[in-house]
Amino acid sequence: AQKITQTQPGMFVQEKEAVTLDCTYDTSDPSYGLFWYKQPSSGEMIFLIYQGSYDQQNATEGRYSLNFQKARKSANLVISASQLGDSAMYFCASPPDSWGKLQFGAGTQVVVTP
Amino acid sequence: DAGVTQSPTHLIKTRGQQVTLRCSPKSGHDTVSWYQQALGQGPQFIFQYYEEEERQRGNFPDRFSGHQFPNYSSELNVNALLLGDSALYLCASSSGQLPRNEQFFGPGTRLTVL
Repeated sequence: AQKITQTQPGMFVQEKEAVTLDCTYDTSDPSYGLFWYKQPSSGEMIFLIYQGSYDQQNATEGRYSLNFQKARKSANLVISASQLGDSAMYFCASPPDSWGKLQFGAGTQVVVTP
Repeated sequence: DAGVTQSPTHLIKTRGQQVTLRCSPKSGHDTVSWYQQALGQGPQFIFQYYEEEERQRGNFPDRFSGHQFPNYSSELNVNALLLGDSALYLCASSSGQLPRNEQFFGPGTRLTVL
């Protein structure tokens, strides 16, 4: 079965700095792509960015960008110019099949400090 | 356009009781997935409903059951509650028509079993 690994349980970052969150997968090819979600303390899972496995370029959505390296089986999230409101849990996830259910990593807690 | 809604937001039950959680999908979505998220962990897939039938199921006992109605809303039922069932239960909706089958999450129901 596919496994998603996030090795950073928690990170502190100063406001306005960039932060990179690590995510690796163990399948030969994440055929159905990779997602990143943000989960504030309220609990709702908020979609941030998606990378299709066969996309030619790395995905970007505003301050979020995805560094997708197939050879390393990694899909790291980069948050630029961090804001206090970015403090949350961040999850990497991938569908193991075409029906859309998601396999999640354990998450990384990000705390942005002034 | 309302997003995914869930009810109730919080619930307290005692061991052995039964509970029903409800979810209304985002407008235009026909697929509902349920996830269990224990404290400090990533969400775990419980099952997915499409066309009123359970299409996929994760590694959860038969005490967890569900239903999807003709209007695509869904219920999650848990019988014979255990202390370990205490978690945030997330509902996500999606549509097979989306090119990347993105899942939109509701705010969740926090279940506490005493």
